[in-house]
Amino acid sequence: AIRMTQSPSSFSASTGDRVAITCRASQGISSSLAWYQQKPGEAPNLLIYAASTLQSGVPSRFSGSGSGTDFTLTISSLQSEDFATYYCQQYYSYPFTFGPGTKVDIK
Amino acid sequence: EVQLVESGGGLVQPGGSLRLSCAASGFTFSSYDMSWVRQAPGKGLEWVSVISFSGATTFYADSVKGRFTISRDNSKNTLYLQMNSLRAEDTALYYCTKETVGSDCYDYWGQGTLVTVSS
Repeated sequence: AIRMTQSPSSFSASTGDRVAITCRASQGISSSLAWYQQKPGEAPNLLIYAASTLQSGVPSRFSGSGSGTDFTLTISSLQSEDFATYYCQQYYSYPFTFGPGTKVDIK
Repeated sequence: EVQLVESGGGLVQPGGSLRLSCAASGFTFSSYDMSWVRQAPGKGLEWVSVISFSGATTFYADSVKGRFTISRDNSKNTLYLQMNSLRAEDTALYYCTKETVGSDCYDYWGQGTLVTVSS
């Protein structure tokens, strides 16, 4: 199975900050990568798919980049509603796998 | 409006069985691959299984292979997960998910149904 790692595992940030979360795959996955946001008590919400395509309805401050093994989720200006946990997921080959998550909380 | 409503969770003893259901509405169920994803309390997301739109093809995580069976009834717009030989490590919130058009990621998730395996 393809192993996904994320860094950092957690960090604190302030509203307005530009933040970046990295996801790495143990082998090449082309652009078959998605990013999800999950808030406590809620189901995950799809933000980005195909590594860089913004899901309909997701604010444009979210962007994704990368291909192969290294990927980045960037939030250009952190808003209060963005404090959450973020997961990457590869859907290049079965079994699909998620990263361990990155928790973003308020500084 | 797309809706995915899971049911069937509960408390079960180790070695026991449960069948989860997911009632889908608001989209053409028979046109989409469907999956189960789980989340242990306080932990991350774990992909469990997928079934093709026709039901002809299935895949499983190694952790559940041979114990869980995914199925669907397109006439009832319902997805199932039969879980046998349950273990404590299967304790989790189980989400039903719908795949996006053109990508095998998930644009809709249910609210989840909690499975607790404990004696």
